[in-house]
Amino acid sequence: GAVVSQHPSWVICKSGTSVKIECRSLDFQATTMFWYRQFPKQSLMLMATSNEGSKATYEQGVEKDKFLINHASLTLSTLTVTSAHPEDSSFYICSARGGMGGGTLSGNTIYFGEGSWLTVV
Amino acid sequence: AQKVTQAQTEISVVEKEDVTLDCVYETRDTTYYLFWYKQPPSGELVFLIRRNSFDEQNEISGRYSWNFQKSTSSFNFTITASQVVDSAVYFCALGNYGQNFVFGPGTRLSVLP
Repeated sequence: GAVVSQHPSWVICKSGTSVKIECRSLDFQATTMFWYRQFPKQSLMLMATSNEGSKATYEQGVEKDKFLINHASLTLSTLTVTSAHPEDSSFYICSARGGMGGGTLSGNTIYFGEGSWLTVV
Repeated sequence: AQKVTQAQTEISVVEKEDVTLDCVYETRDTTYYLFWYKQPPSGELVFLIRRNSFDEQNEISGRYSWNFQKSTSSFNFTITASQVVDSAVYFCALGNYGQNFVFGPGTRLSVLP
């Protein structure tokens, strides 16, 4: 079945550096991808919505210059955390819409990636 | 505005007990979808069920069952004869076509041996 793959699963970076997280739809074309952030013991909060070939739409309170989202192809979206700080340490998870099966919405499917644990030291 | 409430922050049960996780939602949409996801300690989200707003039929899948009541805007999830492997955080979510999911705060379930 369709799978969304996130890489890396775990990443530790130094404060002030940038880190990129990839979200790939492995066997379907994802016209829309969503990026969520989850702080410890909290729920998932939407950060941004990205549509292939256009600029991402950011949720209120999310710094678009800090969290760069690129959705250059129908199978890949990337989230780059620029100038990371310890408070950016979190679990980041993406979801992609397209394909068949899973959490289907009106014929489209939402699949979640495995998530990426970011620790900024 | 859309909102999902899971009033139970943490639940602990002893293995083989039944447990019900509550979910109450708010939406102005007439068509919408409700979901339950399981998040084990490893972090990934495991899809459990999707229910659309026009289908109030309860569903049973093995030890899992769901009770959707539109009149009370609730979509509760029951695990029968709980097992240690059921220990996880469970999220109820509300979604609609072309839109993102709105997640509840999650309920942390601990099943003790």
